[in-house]
Amino acid sequence: DTAVSQTPKYLVTQMGNDKSIKCEQNLGHDTMYWYKQDSKKFLKIMFSYNNKELIINETVPNRFSPKSPDKAHLNLHINSLELGDSAVYFCASSRGGALHFGNGTRLTVT
Amino acid sequence: RKEVEQDPGPFNVPEGATVAFNCTYSNSASQSFFWYRQDCRKEPKLLMSVYSSGNEDGRFTAQLNRASQYISLLIRDSKLSDSATYLCVVVGYSGGGADGLTFGKGTHLIIQP
Repeated sequence: DTAVSQTPKYLVTQMGNDKSIKCEQNLGHDTMYWYKQDSKKFLKIMFSYNNKELIINETVPNRFSPKSPDKAHLNLHINSLELGDSAVYFCASSRGGALHFGNGTRLTVT
Repeated sequence: RKEVEQDPGPFNVPEGATVAFNCTYSNSASQSFFWYRQDCRKEPKLLMSVYSSGNEDGRFTAQLNRASQYISLLIRDSKLSDSATYLCVVVGYSGGGADGLTFGKGTHLIIQP
């Protein structure tokens, strides 16, 4: 039983395309997140949702939009992809500070 | 001063040795602290929480020094499987992401046979 699952695991696409990454958690956590890990391996938060309310948006370009249909899902939609968007994107959920991560989506923009 | 700092390493350590590394934080109001482990091309996984009184889990010991604002992780009798990147996470009220979570950039540990 996967606690936090995200799809797809790999995503290769061309510049200018629009793509989505899905995330689901079955832990019953109230808060879900999207993190970006770039080539320098630095984990940077992009968004978090608490009970379907966006509570932090860390100056991420508005080409990125999180969508949460319910407490167990937080999807990431990206418009007009750019080369610099290539990275690994991790979904996570938490209760009380300890994070549970999905296994990541490796996005490559060509 | 960066919010959460770690020596990136790599730390090359012979198998069986004891290794320790620190993580410093700038926000004195930080509330909670964690160590995560990340293997190459994998997601970070919670290794252990860091309590004020320190805590131990098998070969791993985590400690908090509030006065000097750092947390430490000590690994005894290191195994080849301990090779990974160790990330510290600090939870506070200012800066960081949601709930004040801030990740360090990680310390890369390589255990050599």
